[in-house]
Amino acid sequence: NAGVMQNPRHLVRRRGQEARLRCSPMKGHSHVYWYRQLPEEGLKFMVYLQKENIIDESGMPKERFSAEFPKEGPSILRIQQVVRGDSAAYFCASSPPAQGKASGANVLTFGAGSRLTVL
Amino acid sequence: GNSVTQMEGPVTLSEEAFLTINCTYTATGYPSLFWYVQYPGEGLQLLLKATKADDKGSNKGFEATYRKETTSFHLEKGSVQVSDSAVYFCALSDRSGAGSYQLTFGKGTKLSVIP
Repeated sequence: NAGVMQNPRHLVRRRGQEARLRCSPMKGHSHVYWYRQLPEEGLKFMVYLQKENIIDESGMPKERFSAEFPKEGPSILRIQQVVRGDSAAYFCASSPPAQGKASGANVLTFGAGSRLTVL
Repeated sequence: GNSVTQMEGPVTLSEEAFLTINCTYTATGYPSLFWYVQYPGEGLQLLLKATKADDKGSNKGFEATYRKETTSFHLEKGSVQVSDSAVYFCALSDRSGAGSYQLTFGKGTKLSVIP
């Protein structure tokens, strides 16, 4: 039973290019969450998605960042026109469908992260 | 806003030494508290949790007690092993139920255990 799979593990982009990070949730999980860890900081929540729906994007920067979780395929975090300040580790997590008290942070499973470096 | 402060790393210990990683928090209300561990090359895994004051979370020989009076959730283990080498993250959630996916994390503490 594979865990949360993220790729690429390392991505290097030049300023102005686009970065796409992919996340395949655990089998049976239908909820996906993206977190970002900037250098010298803790992980910070960005967005919560279910299949074809964005549930909570309160942590997403207003410009250049977008996320999707299509009916088929992995969740994608897309960063357009990257800048040096986007250099960070991006973590994806997944959870099963909410089941009362079993929902939420208690059952988040994280991937190993994708490290983006912007030159 | 919410915040989590944990001790700076890296921490290097000899096998069988006693481990403490300090964690203090600032939050509104009564948050749930967590310790996550990230082994090399892997994702973060939930190590233990506590949801109310004076609760003690424990797993794999690790323990942490939710201290409301000192707003702390220090991680301890009596005798560390080389296999405990990892990065440890303290985190909180101040929402219940379906909103509790918004975790606030500390910066992480890297632990290296040498034989």
